[in-house]
Amino acid sequence: DQQVKQNSPSLSVQEGRISILNCDYTNSMFDYFLWYKKYPAEGPTFLISISSIKDKNEDGRFTVFLNKSAKHLSLHIVPSQPGDSAVYFCAASRWGNKLVFGAGTILRVKS
Amino acid sequence: DAGVIQSPRHEVTEMGQEVTLRCKPISGHDYLFWYRQTMMRGLELLIYFNNNVPIDDSGMPEDRFSAKMPNASFSTLKIQPSEPRDSAVYFCASKTGRTYEQYFGPGTRLTVT
Repeated sequence: DQQVKQNSPSLSVQEGRISILNCDYTNSMFDYFLWYKKYPAEGPTFLISISSIKDKNEDGRFTVFLNKSAKHLSLHIVPSQPGDSAVYFCAASRWGNKLVFGAGTILRVKS
Repeated sequence: DAGVIQSPRHEVTEMGQEVTLRCKPISGHDYLFWYRQTMMRGLELLIYFNNNVPIDDSGMPEDRFSAKMPNASFSTLKIQPSEPRDSAVYFCASKTGRTYEQYFGPGTRLTVT
């Protein structure tokens, strides 16, 4: 059962524009959500996170929005840069240790 | 600061052989996780340790897989005997008990022929 879903396998965006990556989850017991970025031949690197008690968290060009009623979160990157081209994984946690990952979305930022 | 270290980075072996993957977590981190990434199943948790003790091994696919953490700075994931369907990228990650964020190593790409 896929508890965390990223339904868009890929996304292409022009440099300078906004990138919006989406993630849906089914388990209402998840209490923390994270986004990771992964370049080829490297491990995933932590990008930004949000607790279930918040609906928005911002860090520089990256903002994560959480809609608990819809069980949906999104990552906004503004402005997008070519170096942002990578695979983005959404992950969810319950009680802080085990992470459940989505399948990932490939982001391509065109210059 | 050194991140999570994994070795080898690439491993090619023949079916039936024993494979041992190694991981050194970030110093001071008391949680260690082993993940496997495949095209079909994505990134899935195999097992995790807290203070060197295995806490949850429900993701270990079968008895051919075993993991140990003899001390706070070293862990191994062993596959014996290996099969072609074990071909994947295996990641190790670590974290402290105070945070949710896990820090990943560069992974070991395993190919079983």
